[in-house]
Amino acid sequence: DAGVIQSPRHEVTEMGQEVTLRCKPISGHNSLFWYRQTMMRGLELLIYFNNNVPIDDSGMPEDRFSAKMPNASFSTLKIQPSEPRDSAVYFCASSLQAGGPHEQYFGPGTRLTVT
Amino acid sequence: SQQGEEDPQALSIQEGENATMNCSYKTSINNLQWYRQNSGRGLVHLILIRSNEREKHSGRLRVTLDTSKKSSSLLITASRAADTASYFCATDGAGNMLTFGGGTRLMVKP
Repeated sequence: DAGVIQSPRHEVTEMGQEVTLRCKPISGHNSLFWYRQTMMRGLELLIYFNNNVPIDDSGMPEDRFSAKMPNASFSTLKIQPSEPRDSAVYFCASSLQAGGPHEQYFGPGTRLTVT
Repeated sequence: SQQGEEDPQALSIQEGENATMNCSYKTSINNLQWYRQNSGRGLVHLILIRSNEREKHSGRLRVTLDTSKKSSSLLITASRAADTASYFCATDGAGNMLTFGGGTRLMVKP
């Protein structure tokens, strides 16, 4: 298996633009997590899905952030409009749900810079 | 808010020495996990210890858990330059959620 795949790896955009980050979880995993990592705030959980259904989105900072998981093999995190303070590394992770506890497998991350 | 807090925030040692990192948490847990992050990479799972376990080994890694003190430690023996990374503890929550600490940055000098 190729592991968790994220795209793009790097994104530079101007304030006000829409940004879409993509994630393909490991095949067979039914939990998916979106995290944001910054020096100031560390690693923060934004939202997670079980069986494609959003379970907890309390970590989503504002209405500008939205996430979808249309099927078991694809998820997106969208920021619209983007702001400079959204600059961070965004990670997607996946794991098994049933029969836990289970480790999470992280993707390589998307480094977002908003100017 | 962070459930786990690592201590120290940064640690610098010579190759061959042992490295010990500590993690404290606030609420009851079912299990605690340790992850490693190399610079510019995603986190990689190292080891999981359940709340009814006190110690666990994996290669050069030794993890202890003291639920009465709400603390865990990660010991890396005979460190190597390749062990240079950030190390995070993570505690379980509702569903499959994990809450990560702020991490310990370990530098192993050759």
